[in-house]
Amino acid sequence: DAKTTQPNSMESNEEEPVHLPCNHSTISGTDYIHWYRQLPSQGPEYVIHGLTSNVNNRMASLAIAEDRKSSTLILHRATLRDAAVYYCILRRLISGNTPLVFGKGTRLSVIA
Amino acid sequence: NAGVTQTPKFQVLKTGQSMTLQCAQDMNHEYMSWYRQDPGMGLRLIHYSVGAGITDQGEVPNGYNVSRSTTEDFPLRLLSAAPSQTSVYFCASSKRILAGRGETQYFGPGTRLLVL
Repeated sequence: DAKTTQPNSMESNEEEPVHLPCNHSTISGTDYIHWYRQLPSQGPEYVIHGLTSNVNNRMASLAIAEDRKSSTLILHRATLRDAAVYYCILRRLISGNTPLVFGKGTRLSVIA
Repeated sequence: NAGVTQTPKFQVLKTGQSMTLQCAQDMNHEYMSWYRQDPGMGLRLIHYSVGAGITDQGEVPNGYNVSRSTTEDFPLRLLSAAPSQTSVYFCASSKRILAGRGETQYFGPGTRLLVL
């Protein structure tokens, strides 16, 4: 899978929007962009994924650049419960399951 | 559904001891995997399985064995524990799919292992 680059840490004020960036300049046309997050002392949980178009769900929005070399996870109103490590992961469109390859992610701190 | 369950939650071992970390899922998922997470690091894949009777190595398989005799269970065995295996271990599962596009993986709560 292609590599992703994320900032080590970010900080946000509570109830403000948060934009978490991810660079993936070597992404291929068949790579899906997935985001997972890991709350303190818990296992990772799925947040959102997309291929080319922007995506929205109840947890977040995913904005994908037109050239697909970068993407941004958007939390519309950060809460204290959103403090976690956020992982941006590329998954190739191939037959069968492939394991997730985690980087170090971005540690998001939310200030009350 | 209980989802993905792991036992024990916490374990202390002495160097050289062996033990099995248990992982079970009740979602009829064919794909299961084991990761370890060291302090301040991301998760690293140890072993994975795409179905009963089929396993494969991940990034850091040395010192660990797995088997998959049923769809529900995927135990991880430490053959001879070493301090370097002190870590948090996560099990994950997902449906078997034809393509890797959108399949969500579900993770267990983790097992914290301390090897003295």
